[in-house]
Amino acid sequence: AQSVTQPDIHITVSEGASLELRCNYSYGATPYLFWYVQSPGQGLQLLLKYFSGDTLVQGIKGFEAEFKRSQSSFNLRKPSVHWSDAAEYFCAVVQTGANNLFFGTGTRLTVIP
Amino acid sequence: DSGVTQTPKHLITATGQRVTLRCSPRSGDLSVYWYQQSLDQGLQFLIHYYNGEERAKGNILERFSAQQFPDLHSELNLSSLELGDSALYFCASSGRTRGAYGYTFGSGTRLTVV
Repeated sequence: AQSVTQPDIHITVSEGASLELRCNYSYGATPYLFWYVQSPGQGLQLLLKYFSGDTLVQGIKGFEAEFKRSQSSFNLRKPSVHWSDAAEYFCAVVQTGANNLFFGTGTRLTVIP
Repeated sequence: DSGVTQTPKHLITATGQRVTLRCSPRSGDLSVYWYQQSLDQGLQFLIHYYNGEERAKGNILERFSAQQFPDLHSELNLSSLELGDSALYFCASSGRTRGAYGYTFGSGTRLTVV
């Protein structure tokens, strides 16, 4: 069965520093991968998604992610973090045979001044 | 505003009780998905409805049930509530051709069982 793993439960970065959130997937074929962000008390907002083609995907809010098949990874990056980026970030994959997303456990991002 | 409306936003109830959570999908979306988010289980898929029909079930307990009505709104019914059912319940909607590739999430219902 497909799954995604987010090895970092909590990450703290300084405002203006670069960010990389890790996501590893387990899937037999080419996966459809997503990154979502959840601000406190809010629902989930789609940052970006990868289906095929260019392995570097641009998303909203200045985020990007790179699909690396050889490493089974889909890491999320941002060159310069803003205080408003503090939130929980979820990597997700489409589950075969259904139409639902399977989410990782999330990474909580704290941004310090 | 995502266009997906969930009510109520907060719900506090006692163990053993039954509650109904409501979700109105984005205009034109035929699919509704329900998810449970808890500290120990993370985000778990519960059930998917498409145009009134159940399409997929995930980790949904037998005490829980859902339906989607002709106007496409959906209700998640939770009965014989236990303390462990305390969680944030999200619904998401999607169009016919977008499926999981085009989810729009609501802001959730926070259920507290005391």
